[in-house]
Formats: sequence, structure tokens, C-alpha cells
Amino acid sequence: QSVLTQPPSVSGAPGQRVTISCTGSSSNIGAGYDVHWYQQLPGTAPKLLIYGNSNRPSGVPDRFSGSKSGTSASLAITGLQAEDEADYYCQSYDSSLSGLFGGGTKLTVL
Amino acid sequence: QVQLQESGPGLVKPSQTLSLTCTVSGGSISSGSYYWSWIRQPAGKGLEWIGRIYTSGSTNYNPSLKSRVTISVDTSKNQFSLKLSSVTAADTAVYYCARDGQWLALDYWGQGTLVTVSS
Repeated sequence: QSVLTQPPSVSGAPGQRVTISCTGSSSNIGAGYDVHWYQQLPGTAPKLLIYGNSNRPSGVPDRFSGSKSGTSASLAITGLQAEDEADYYCQSYDSSLSGLFGGGTKLTVL
Repeated sequence: QVQLQESGPGLVKPSQTLSLTCTVSGGSISSGSYYWSWIRQPAGKGLEWIGRIYTSGSTNYNPSLKSRVTISVDTSKNQFSLKLSSVTAADTAVYYCARDGQWLALDYWGQGTLVTVSS
């Protein structure tokens, strides 16, 4: 069971907006540690999607955005496309600087 | 462009030690203020953070694996390595190496290597 909690699955129709939550605690996200998000397409390595809570690496479409508040963070995807169908993971750290991943969320584009 | 490549045996017997190496190309492993990490993923399951090393040799490990894990770095070969002792079938997974970049986000990943623990 992951320390960071994500919904196992979310879905949306093309063009719609979906959000994926990542809930932690006062020992990790709530302690001020940054949250990062990764996209993993089937059979491939994860790819950094959002870093430092809300920053997009070069090449990531602005349809993807991140936010953080208190002990939680969220990833929003607008203008959903078929190619967005993938697993999404949040990541942060705890006070011992041990890395933490959420359990992952499978996004289905209907 | 930084690239990472995992290498090592794909099959390890139970109770033995799993050893993997990550070779970094496209830049020096000792340049910049970066950590170098290992992550694993059992088939059909989520990502698990194993640990990381700074080029100075300083390490952080997952508490649940700490007693069995050693991560080391060889700057002369531009490589860092993972050793996981006393493996069981539960250690069967795809193992990834990655770089902790800006904001300690994992910005570059290897393609992953499957390690199966079986007799």
C-alpha cells in the first residue's frame, strides 16, 4: 500500500478534462516536499510530466498542469486525446529523504 | 542529451545477490548537482523507489529495503550500481535507473531491465 494515495483509475471522453489526485500526509507533501508527476505508456519507461508541483519540462504540452495544496496534489489534463491513455504516477519525498510513489492511476480515454 | 542504460543478469537465484549497473552517456556523472536513482516495477504493479546516490557517495535508501540494498558509484566509468542481497521471488521486477534532476524530479530514465528471481 502506497504512502501517496491515487485513484486506481479515471476516464474521460476525447476533449474533456480529467484530474488525478495524489494524497499524502504531513510527513511528506504536507511537510513542503515537492510533487512530481510521470506518465507511463504501456511497455515503456516512465516519463517526467510535471516537476516541482506545477512546472512542465520542455516538450510537454500545456494541456497538462499540476497543482499542490496542503497534503495533496493534482494533475489536470485538458483537451483529452487518445494518446493520453497511460498510467500516471505522483512522486514526492519524506523527511528521511526517502522517495515515495503513488500507487498509480490508469487513465482510459473513452 | 543524457542517456542511461541498465545492464546485468536477467535471472538470479533465490537467496543470491542481484547486481545491476547503470551506464550514463551524454554527460559526466560527476558534473552538476545530481542524484542517481534506482526504481523498480513488478509486472502489472506500480513503481517502487529503491534508493539513490550522490556523486560524493552519499546515499538514501527505501527503509523497507535498506537492510539489503547497496548503491555505489564509479565516476571513472560513468556508472552507478545496485546490489540487492537475499533476493526472493518478490524482487522480480523491471529495474530502472534514473537521474534526479531539477527539483529532485526523475528527469532521465533508462529503458529498464527485467530481473527474474527463480531457481
